[in-house]
Amino acid sequence: NAGVTQTPKFQVLKTGQSMTLQCAQDMNHNSMYWYRQDPGMGLRLIYYSASEGTTDKGEVPNGYNVSRLNKREFSLRLESAAPSQTSVYFCASSKGGGSSIGYEQYFGPGTRLTVT
Amino acid sequence: AQKVTQAQTEISVVEKEDVTLDCVYETRDTTYYLFWYKQPPSGELVFLIRRNSFDEQNEISGRYSWNFQKSTSSFNFTITASQVVDSAVYFCALSEARQGSYIPTFGRGTSLIVHP
Repeated sequence: NAGVTQTPKFQVLKTGQSMTLQCAQDMNHNSMYWYRQDPGMGLRLIYYSASEGTTDKGEVPNGYNVSRLNKREFSLRLESAAPSQTSVYFCASSKGGGSSIGYEQYFGPGTRLTVT
Repeated sequence: AQKVTQAQTEISVVEKEDVTLDCVYETRDTTYYLFWYKQPPSGELVFLIRRNSFDEQNEISGRYSWNFQKSTSSFNFTITASQVVDSAVYFCALSEARQGSYIPTFGRGTSLIVHP
């Protein structure tokens, strides 16, 4: 049982390049999330998918797109990377799915992205 | 205004001291959930506890205890007899219902340093 996995672990991009961060979970969770973590800012929600087939914007969606490929996988795409997107990106999942209960989240190990 | 305020940016203690991490939240909902997560130096976030707004019982788990007070909108976390392994960044989070799903908002975190 791997939990939440993310690839890659590290990435360096030049301004204007594109890339996709991959996330997968094997806990049969309904909801998946993408966060970015910057020093002193805590975790900020980029996009989330409450259930398979739906995606919604979070607090800081500009410059990103997401795809909920299936129940297991949720990818984050940077179409044209900018230095302001240098951050650590975390994927998370929870039972969620429109439930009446606010479930806890389980996080992946993170991707450290540098945009030069 | 922040929905979740962790006013202590960094706390430094010596091993065996007790330490309390503060969390103050803001919501208009009557049903909501509160969480604490730990992020050790390795970087991965680990879930510690979940509380719903109707359950104000304090909880103790080993050296960890949580004090939830709706009257002051606080959900504080105390570590008794701290150990070096407790050194980490601790995040408090609030989950509110949004379009049928519970979406969390994180505080900016408190960095706890426990010196031997």
